[in-house]
Amino acid sequence: NAGVTQTPKFRILKIGQSMTLQCTQDMNHNYMYWYRQDPGMGLKLIYYSVGAGITDKGEVPNGYNVSRSTTEDFPLRLELAAPSQTSVYFCASSFRTGNSPLHFGNGTRLTVT
Amino acid sequence: GDSVTQMEGPVTLSEEAFLTINCTYTATGYPSLFWYVQYPGEGLQLLLKATKADDKGSNKGFEATYRKETTSFHLEKGSVQVSDSAVYFCALTPNNDMRFGAGTRLTVKP
Repeated sequence: NAGVTQTPKFRILKIGQSMTLQCTQDMNHNYMYWYRQDPGMGLKLIYYSVGAGITDKGEVPNGYNVSRSTTEDFPLRLELAAPSQTSVYFCASSFRTGNSPLHFGNGTRLTVT
Repeated sequence: GDSVTQMEGPVTLSEEAFLTINCTYTATGYPSLFWYVQYPGEGLQLLLKATKADDKGSNKGFEATYRKETTSFHLEKGSVQVSDSAVYFCALTPNNDMRFGAGTRLTVKP
């Protein structure tokens, strides 16, 4: 049972480069999320999706884009990477909102230099 | 907006000590409350949850009670083990997302 799978695990980007962080889940969850985790700052929501074809901004969406063409996949695109985007990125999914817990991937550690 | 505030760490305890990690929340409605745990190099995992006032969530010896009168959801464990060393996050769900506290790092020494 794979759960939520994120790739790559680590990546180093130069300023101005672009990349896509991949996320896929096999639990048939409608809700999917992207968070970033900065040291001592907890997790901040970047984007979320309540189903295929529907996405919405979270707390810190600037510099990122997402798409949700299937239930399983929710890629996060970074355009024109900046040092401020150095962070650990977590994808998560849930069955629904309210009292449903989130299931997290193991994260992608991104460094922009 | 809705948010949680948890005690900052790090917290260092000896094995078999009693653990309390404080968490208070601010919410306009009646959110569900959660504790998640993060082990090194991994994503967050659900530890326990409570969905309404006076509910007690429990798992692996950890407990937390949803206290509406004090807007709190403190995490407790009677006797910690070295394997409990991790970062603990308090969280709530106001709408379509989940809001997390800053996390508290716990280190348990033998």
